[in-house]
Amino acid sequence: ETGVTQTPRHLVMGMTNKKSLKCEQHLGHNAMYWYKQSAKKPLELMFVYNFKEQTENNSVPSRFSPECPNSSHLFLHLHTLQPEDSALYLCASSQDYKSLPIQENTEAFFGQGTRLTVV
Amino acid sequence: AQKITQTQPGMFVQEKEAVTLDCTYDTSDQSYGLFWYKQPSSGEMIFLIYQGSYDEQNATEGRYSLNFQKARKSANLVISASQLGDSAMYFCAMREKSEETSGSRLTFGEGTQLTVNP
Repeated sequence: ETGVTQTPRHLVMGMTNKKSLKCEQHLGHNAMYWYKQSAKKPLELMFVYNFKEQTENNSVPSRFSPECPNSSHLFLHLHTLQPEDSALYLCASSQDYKSLPIQENTEAFFGQGTRLTVV
Repeated sequence: AQKITQTQPGMFVQEKEAVTLDCTYDTSDQSYGLFWYKQPSSGEMIFLIYQGSYDEQNATEGRYSLNFQKARKSANLVISASQLGDSAMYFCAMREKSEETSGSRLTFGEGTQLTVNP
């Protein structure tokens, strides 16, 4: 069993559909992330939840809506997407220590990703 | 400004030889962490090695070592005795304090595609 599990692994949706991506971590971490990976581009950080509170939203269009009901689960709700939103969406988690220097923070553990195709 | 720069879009190496993947970073923080990840064609991101900004010794993990040159802001990954299974995309990443929050953020470079030839 991997530490971070994403479902579904593949998703094809029309531009008028509504779907959700799910991420679950079994590592006891307090921070979770959504990244978007498009072809030939670096990973783009979309959302960060630290201590269950959304702390970053990097100018992501409102057609992407995150939800973090508890520290183990993270969702990405999708609606009226565009073809350019087709990408690999990666979830990650880490243990973020507010009281320690940044260099003490651990690595992020990633799920296997959801490959999304918008048609 | 680009935080993480990987100047080698693609690298080729012969099996059993060593290869160095370059990474330079930009930060004004004193405390930060540097990471390397491997991404095979299947898509998952696999953590390889970590270097803290205050660590005086270069990190090593098996066949992976990190050549950390703080003054030059570089954190190159060295893979020794390359294997065919090492063929993958390799990403350098940096964790630094978030500008907006009290937490931290992990920023990635564009990656280097490594191909190991038999």
